[in-house]
Amino acid sequence: AQSVSQHNHHVILSEAASLELGCNYSYGGTVNLFWYVQYPGQHLQLLLKYFSGDPLVKGIKGFEAEFIKSKFSFNLRKPSVQWSDTAEYFCAVNARSNYQLIWGAGTKLIIKP
Amino acid sequence: DAMVIQNPRYQVTQFGKPVTLSCSQTLNHNVMYWYQQKSSQAPKLLFHYYDKDFNNEADTPDNFQSRRPNTSFCFLDIRSPGLGDAAMYLCATSSRKGIQPQHFGDGTRLSIL
Repeated sequence: AQSVSQHNHHVILSEAASLELGCNYSYGGTVNLFWYVQYPGQHLQLLLKYFSGDPLVKGIKGFEAEFIKSKFSFNLRKPSVQWSDTAEYFCAVNARSNYQLIWGAGTKLIIKP
Repeated sequence: DAMVIQNPRYQVTQFGKPVTLSCSQTLNHNVMYWYQQKSSQAPKLLFHYYDKDFNNEADTPDNFQSRRPNTSFCFLDIRSPGLGDAAMYLCATSSRKGIQPQHFGDGTRLSIL
């Protein structure tokens, strides 16, 4: 069965620190990859997506993610976090042949001012 | 702005009393989804509609039903809510199945007394 694994459930960083959130998936076929963010009290928002092409994807608010097919990974990065990045981050994957998004368990990111 | 609108934002109902949550979209998307999200967990897909074609996830309880009277509106009916049904309910849309990201509403937080 397809699954998505996010390695850290909670991450605490200071402002200006660099961020990397891990995401690994299990599926051998072609996939679409997404990172969603949920700020406190707000709805899920698409941060960035990968369908094809350049494996380094840039999203909103200075985030980027790199798809490494050989590692089945799609890690999220930001070189310098801000207090406003405090949120929960979800990695999600769907097989091209399937409608269903498979979600990771989420990572709660807390940025200390 | 085009968006996914859920009403109400907060709903309180009594144990066993039927409740209906609503979702509307101005995106003219073909696909609408209902998710259940419990605290610190990933969203769990309950159903989706592809146009009028209804698709029920295998593990969605019979207690949950859905209606989509037209492209713009979709309803989630919980016939006899139990305490375990207290959660955030998210509506999402996508223009096509599979290859497009999903756009989420703000959610309805359901509490059961």
